[in-house]
Amino acid sequence: DAKTTQPTSMDCAEGRAANLPCNHSTISGNEYVYWYRQIHSQGPQYIIHGLKNNETNEMASLIITEDRKSSTLILPHATLRDTAVYYCIALNQFYFGTGTSLTVIP
Amino acid sequence: SAVISQKPSRDICQRGTSLTIQCQVDSQVTMMFWYRQQPGQSLTLIATANQGSEATYESGFVIDKFPISRPNLTFSTLTVSNMSPEDSSIYLCSAGRQGYEQFFGPGTRLTVL
Repeated sequence: DAKTTQPTSMDCAEGRAANLPCNHSTISGNEYVYWYRQIHSQGPQYIIHGLKNNETNEMASLIITEDRKSSTLILPHATLRDTAVYYCIALNQFYFGTGTSLTVIP
Repeated sequence: SAVISQKPSRDICQRGTSLTIQCQVDSQVTMMFWYRQQPGQSLTLIATANQGSEATYESGFVIDKFPISRPNLTFSTLTVSNMSPEDSSIYLCSAGRQGYEQFFGPGTRLTVL
């Protein structure tokens, strides 16, 4: 399973785009990248996933580099409710790393 | 999508006792999982709950300590046996289908005194 690396924490101003990076340099060709988030005291929530094409849904956009060694989750207009820990996971989506704690600042 | 419910939502237990946590899914799913999240930490997979057969445990977790049942496609239980304060954690159930996203329950917050 590919190991992922994320910054420990990030801040973002409310209303601005939040760009959360993830490094997965050991990812193999058939491994998907999944993103989940966990708001305090709740279970994790699925956000988006992708293989090699960029993906967009109602919550976020996922940009995957051409070599697939890294990706960026984009929350286009961050709100205070987006304050959470964001997890980037490869392949089996069962092995959570330490994630990025995103704080959206008013 | 799937809605996952867990019971109890929280409990305070005495050392040496056991607690069984229930997980119910509102639709038939192929895969169910149990995670532990210790205070301030990320999620750690305990085991995959297999319908009608023994669960598949991750390294560091054993059946005697964390027996798991899954009698049908929508229900599973996790028992935390012979508890010690180190077992104080949030226990989370998740469910999904192969190749698709997981859906998580709200978690069970366990405190062992």
